[in-house]
Amino acid sequence: NAGVTQTPKFQVLKTGQSMTLQCAQDMNHNSMYWYRQDPGMGLRLIYYSASEGTTDKGEVPNGYNVSRLNKREFSLRLESAAPSQTSVYFCASIPRDTGAPPQHFGDGTRLSIL
Amino acid sequence: AQSVTQLGSHVSVSEGALVLLRCNYSSSVPPYLFWYVQYPNQGLQLLLKYTTGATLVKGINGFEAEFKKSETSFHLTKPSAHMSDAAEYFCAVSRTSGNTPLVFGKGTRLSVIA
Repeated sequence: NAGVTQTPKFQVLKTGQSMTLQCAQDMNHNSMYWYRQDPGMGLRLIYYSASEGTTDKGEVPNGYNVSRLNKREFSLRLESAAPSQTSVYFCASIPRDTGAPPQHFGDGTRLSIL
Repeated sequence: AQSVTQLGSHVSVSEGALVLLRCNYSSSVPPYLFWYVQYPNQGLQLLLKYTTGATLVKGINGFEAEFKKSETSFHLTKPSAHMSDAAEYFCAVSRTSGNTPLVFGKGTRLSVIA
């Protein structure tokens, strides 16, 4: 089925470890986004990529890096994980601006950092 | 800058009662407005969106929302709550031009009591 696929679905890390969260979409969308969701905070934008080859910081970029590998894939990297990065991470995508594109979300990656 | 305020982090209603979830927005440009629903351990699903035109917007699962520019509000309603409506609901805003990221409210958890 078409959509946004995130891997892994769950991950436990130790403080200081690194990892990359993967996101891929097969809808030929141009823009992709990474959000984190914390209780009582809603979703906050970490980074986004308006098109292949471009990335921009969102509201909470510190401690993260991103790579827009190609049109399909947008990865989020934690270089040195901290307990404050324990969260649920969502990837989303939209096509080129068609007026009011709703974002299509993946099912999330639940990340715990001990 | 855009922002969204959802009044009430938790709303509880009886089955069959009216559901009213409140959302107020701030935007310096005409906004696009969205309501998303999140069921436990799942991603976000679009309920409805307002772009231009009719200010009363109907969505899935019997939900609707009315855009009131004078009140900067976009409240979500459903005439009769079902047990299956229990979930977390997010209001979001974006600018009308360009593939700009969504700005989310902090969410409202809806509980439905039998």
